[in-house]
Amino acid sequence: GENVEQHPSTLSVQEGDSAVIKCTYSDSASNYFPWYKQELGKGPQLIIDIRSNVGEKKDQRIAVTLNKTAKHFSLHITETQPEDSAVYFCPREGSSGDKLTFGTGTRLAVRP
Amino acid sequence: NAGVTQTPKFRILKIGQSMTLQCTQDMNHNYMYWYRQDPGMGLKLIYYSVGAGITDKGEVPNGYNVSRSTTEDFPLRLELAAPSQTSVYFCASSYQGVGYEQYFGPGTRLTVT
Repeated sequence: GENVEQHPSTLSVQEGDSAVIKCTYSDSASNYFPWYKQELGKGPQLIIDIRSNVGEKKDQRIAVTLNKTAKHFSLHITETQPEDSAVYFCPREGSSGDKLTFGTGTRLAVRP
Repeated sequence: NAGVTQTPKFRILKIGQSMTLQCTQDMNHNYMYWYRQDPGMGLKLIYYSVGAGITDKGEVPNGYNVSRSTTEDFPLRLELAAPSQTSVYFCASSYQGVGYEQYFGPGTRLTVT
């Protein structure tokens, strides 16, 4: 299975600015790249995902880009709002292929 | 659909006591998972199940047991509770394994004193 390498571990942005979180992977065979958001006091929720045959996917203010050569994928949030404040995870596939490893995530704070 | 439900929401246990955390999903998902999350930390997988009658260990299974007698239910049993088991416990389910969205319950906050 893969370890989860996610950067930065914390991020603070001004409301309206953009935020970018990067996740690095090592397994060339990986073909699924999800991003989960965990708001305070709640369970994580999938916000966007991408498959290896696609380079970018957008959904309103959020987007995920995949760089297979460099083996990393990134979450982009534009026009950040206070409700974007949360912990974001990029879980990676476990050794058996049927579970995910979540790691410690990135804590995003959006300053009003 | 109610999605994934967990009971109780909060619980305080004394050292050495036992309890069962309940988890139910109504989405007919094959896969179910139990995670724990310590304060300010990520999620660690305790146990998971790929279908009724099948369970397997995750990263941190010691001190816990699970069973999966039905598709809908996946209870987590704590035997001989220890302070190190103080955590928030999340149950999740997905239609299949990696590549499918995991739906999380609201969590159970457990304190062992």
